[in-house]
Amino acid sequence: DTAVSQTPKYLVTQMGNDKSIKCEQNLGHDTMYWYKQDSKKFLKIMFSYNNKELIINETVPNRFSPKSPDKAHLNLHINSLELGDSAVYFCASSLIGDGEQFFGPGTRLTVL
Amino acid sequence: ELKVEQNPLFLSMQEGKNYTIYCNYSTTSDRLYWYRQDPGKSLESLFVLLSNGAVKQEGRLMASLDTKARLSTLHITAAVHDLSATYFCAVDILLIKLIFGQGTTLQVKP
Repeated sequence: DTAVSQTPKYLVTQMGNDKSIKCEQNLGHDTMYWYKQDSKKFLKIMFSYNNKELIINETVPNRFSPKSPDKAHLNLHINSLELGDSAVYFCASSLIGDGEQFFGPGTRLTVL
Repeated sequence: ELKVEQNPLFLSMQEGKNYTIYCNYSTTSDRLYWYRQDPGKSLESLFVLLSNGAVKQEGRLMASLDTKARLSTLHITAAVHDLSATYFCAVDILLIKLIFGQGTTLQVKP
């Protein structure tokens, strides 16, 4: 049974489009994250939500808007996609105060 | 600005050899994690190091943490091809976020 799942796995789209990525976890965790991994494999945190509340927003452009309908789900909507948004986006989850994070399979976004 | 630096960034080694990957960080933290990533895959948790002097071992991999020196090491003993992957260290900041190193790509040749 998948612990942290993301959809879609691959996303290919044109510049200027709007797209969403969905994430769900069944680990009973209360904190969820979005990370971006660039072409050089560098991983950087973007957002974190704890019990549906935003707790981390790491200077990400306003075109990126996360939403957490409940503590098991965290979605990422991206407006007006740019070439530089091409990357792999990972969702992760943890228990607040525990630290260890569990990662989803990733969504490879390609902007043409 | 917090920095987490891994060394080396790329490591090509022969099977059967030993080597160490270093992870230096620039801020106070008592928690550090090591992850493994295979090409095109997700990150798999390898070790959770929760205090100064912590040492964890799993198979041919051993990780340690020295919080005073702000240094963690991942030691590989008698490398085998299956260990080929990218290894990341990640420093825990206030139990709410991880700052990752650049990753070390390990290639083990027969």
